[in-house]
Amino acid sequence: DGGITQSPKYLFRKEGQNVTLSCEQNLNHDAMYWYRQDPGQGLRLIYYSQIVNDFQKGDIAEGYSVSREKKESFPLTVTSAQKNPTAFYLCASSIGQGEKPHFGNGTRLTVT
Amino acid sequence: GENVEQHPSTLSVQEGDSAVIKCTYSDSASNYFPWYKQELGKRPQLIIDIRSNVGEKKDQRIAVTLNKTAKHFSLHITETQPEDSAVYFCAAALNSGYSTLTFGKGTMLLVSP
Repeated sequence: DGGITQSPKYLFRKEGQNVTLSCEQNLNHDAMYWYRQDPGQGLRLIYYSQIVNDFQKGDIAEGYSVSREKKESFPLTVTSAQKNPTAFYLCASSIGQGEKPHFGNGTRLTVT
Repeated sequence: GENVEQHPSTLSVQEGDSAVIKCTYSDSASNYFPWYKQELGKRPQLIIDIRSNVGEKKDQRIAVTLNKTAKHFSLHITETQPEDSAVYFCAAALNSGYSTLTFGKGTMLLVSP
């Protein structure tokens, strides 16, 4: 939907386990982003990538890691160091220059 | 960094009324201001955006106004309908180079029939 695919839609993990969320886009966009959404908190930026093999920390990067080995893919790993990992995670991409980011459908992660 | 404040957090209107959501931003260098609509459990979708070289933009029942001096921008929805019920987010960004959006915390709009 919209050229950005996030999988899975729902993910359940036990505390202490690392988990990787997938994000793939076929829009040929250079820039990709990961946001976290909590109730009443809006969207907060975790990591972003402007180009293959390069990425930068956002506002809440602690406990997360990413890679950008291909233009189409920007997976997010939620590590055991993330204190409150349960949230709705949104991946987005844009053609560049902050231009009209398009969002994927999100992954709802629950850690118990 | 940029800080975006959004008000109100919830807004209830009757069908046919107008709704106004307001945002302020802190970085005077920001020059791109999109608005997103998010229905329950779904992804945010861009509904309208404005750049700092214009003061107002309209798209059917939706309009956005920007006051650069005061550093605030607003979303106006006229003739509201129940399907307008959703959470609306404003955002701000520098539109130079590769920039990232800073979002407001959202406004839940409820339109009653």
